[in-house]
Amino acid sequence: GAVVSQHPSRVICKSGTSVKIECRSLDFQATTMFWYRQFPKQSLMLMATSNEGSKATYEQGVEKDKFLINHASLTLSTLTVTSAHPEDSSFYICSARTNNRDRGLYNEQFFGPGTRLTVL
Amino acid sequence: QKEVEQDPGPLSVPEGAIVSLNCTYSNSAFQYFMWYRQYSRKGPELLMYTYSSGNKEDGRFTAQVDKSSKYISLFIRDSQPSDSATYLCAMSARVAAGNKLTFGGGTRVLVKP
Repeated sequence: GAVVSQHPSRVICKSGTSVKIECRSLDFQATTMFWYRQFPKQSLMLMATSNEGSKATYEQGVEKDKFLINHASLTLSTLTVTSAHPEDSSFYICSARTNNRDRGLYNEQFFGPGTRLTVL
Repeated sequence: QKEVEQDPGPLSVPEGAIVSLNCTYSNSAFQYFMWYRQYSRKGPELLMYTYSSGNKEDGRFTAQVDKSSKYISLFIRDSQPSDSATYLCAMSARVAAGNKLTFGGGTRVLVKP
């Protein structure tokens, strides 16, 4: 398998502040990274798909100016929640996927451990 | 109607019993089917991955896909308390690094000692 990390694992912030969440693929190059949010006892909702070096593709209903995604390298993507409000409190999970066939990881999506955001 | 339907549970079984989970879907283009396990406040981890119709077995886990009925199943034999988690089915239509997954809502499973 492959390892994806997220930082921080938990963050509490005041309403109106911005929060940055990092997603890193530790032992493989992630051609594509996905960002999800998950409310309690609900499934994962895809927010956006990002490819290294290009703009993210957002799902319908997701505000791209509020959830800024940067996929600057093949191992790092960041999600910035701008001007966070209590309704943005959720569990944010990233996943990474590679098109590298060498390690047999092709087309599998590896998930990070998630970041719990609480906006007061 | 959601593209992928999954009973939310909770499904409570005694230790040692067989856990039976399933999902139905409406998109006939789906060809790749996955089952993920998610513990509370953790990210999902891949359990099983199958392509098209048929069965796949891995240890105590068996995945079945019936594309004609648009129905997939996951069976867990000899269930253990450590199997208590939420199980998510997921599927996709194409094999490509950028292709997104469509998830079911997840089924909570509780295995009682």
